Amino acid sequence: DSGVTQTPKHLITATGQRVTLRCSPRSGDLSVYWYQQSLDQGLQFLIQYYNGEERAKGNILERFSAQQFPDLHSELNLSSLELGDSALYFCASSPTVISPLHFGNGTRLTVT
Amino acid sequence: AQKITQTQPGMFVQEKEAVTLDCTYDTSDQSYGLFWYKQPSSGEMIFLIYQGSYDEQNATEGRYSLNFQKARKSANLVISASQLGDSAMYFCAMREGIETGNQFYFGTGTSLTVIP
Repeated sequence: DSGVTQTPKHLITATGQRVTLRCSPRSGDLSVYWYQQSLDQGLQFLIQYYNGEERAKGNILERFSAQQFPDLHSELNLSSLELGDSALYFCASSPTVISPLHFGNGTRLTVT
Repeated sequence: AQKITQTQPGMFVQEKEAVTLDCTYDTSDQSYGLFWYKQPSSGEMIFLIYQGSYDEQNATEGRYSLNFQKARKSANLVISASQLGDSAMYFCAMREGIETGNQFYFGTGTSLTVIP
């Protein structure tokens, strides 16, 4: 168990809808990262937060947004969903600058 | 240029044999970290091993060792005595230092199949 909690585990929704994915980092970890992994693809970096502030942005679509709250949990909002947004979405957290990312078990999103 | 390169999309190894998964990286930082992750078919990402750029000794964790060759910028993962449960996707990753934004980069992965 990595200590990173992601909910829900599975999400099935229709095109055009909006969903929110939630992540609780490991206790004490200030950094939260979001990644997207489509079928048979590598990890695509979406966005990073550090102690409530956006630190870095990757290939995140304008339809997607995220935030990190004062209690350090984070939410990834996906709107106007398309079939191509179906993927495994990972949250990861990290305590210090040169340390591993610890991943949650992911949220598997299916857009129908 | 790619920050992390894994040139082996797929690898096969006989059970109980050792296997090396290749990884090269590109950075101008002096301080960085190198990592390997395992992703079984169930989907979770499991941290395996870490090597710091200033570490003189190669990192080892049980049957996993990281063959760190700094001058060649390579960080190969060696799995000894392969087991059927080692069949998974393996990702090499690098975390750069604060000076360059402390970014985390992943390779495209190597799919390892252990044959009984």
